[in-house]
Amino acid sequence: GENVEQHPSTLSVQEGDSAVIKCTYSDSASNYFPWYKQELGKRPQLIIDIRSNVGEKKDQRIAVTLNKTAKHFSLHITETQPEDSAVYFCAAITGGGNKLTFGTGTQLKVEL
Amino acid sequence: EAGVAQSPRYKIIEKRQSVAFWCNPISGHATLYWYQQILGQGPKLLIQFQNNGVVDDSQLPKDRFSAERLKGVDSTLKIQPAKLEDSAVYLCASSLLAGSQGEQFFGPGTRLTVL
Repeated sequence: GENVEQHPSTLSVQEGDSAVIKCTYSDSASNYFPWYKQELGKRPQLIIDIRSNVGEKKDQRIAVTLNKTAKHFSLHITETQPEDSAVYFCAAITGGGNKLTFGTGTQLKVEL
Repeated sequence: EAGVAQSPRYKIIEKRQSVAFWCNPISGHATLYWYQQILGQGPKLLIQFQNNGVVDDSQLPKDRFSAERLKGVDSTLKIQPAKLEDSAVYLCASSLLAGSQGEQFFGPGTRLTVL
């Protein structure tokens, strides 16, 4: 089955700096990689996703990159703001399957 | 549009007791998922339904957990009997399409505490 590893587990940045969260996956057949943001006590919400036929995707201050050869993908947040503070989860799904496997999460704290 | 609804939001029980959770997915979403999220971890899929059929229940502890979606809409997840390690948030999600074609929308979750 799929195994998704996520680093770092905690990340503290100053407001305005960039934040990068990295994930690796084990199943070379995985073809869809969403990122979820979960604020304390709230539900996970999709913030960006990428498919295996694309190397990079950007949406305003957030971007995701995918390296299929190395089987890793990363979330980049630029110009961080206090409201970006949350737990971020990467996930992967195999093309032939339906199961979404989540990483262990990164607690991002943006300090003033 | 209305989101995924779950109830109750919180539940406290003693070990060996039974508990049931309810989920109402977004209207028209054929695929429904139940996840278990233990504190400090990512959600783990317990069971996935496509309409009223089970697609994947490989990680469901079937000796104590059961789930149904009889009419292909609402779903219930039951634990009987509960163990201390079942303390977690149980998240329900739904999607219009299955697998990589459908964004999953999550409900607010039910926080279960087993004493």
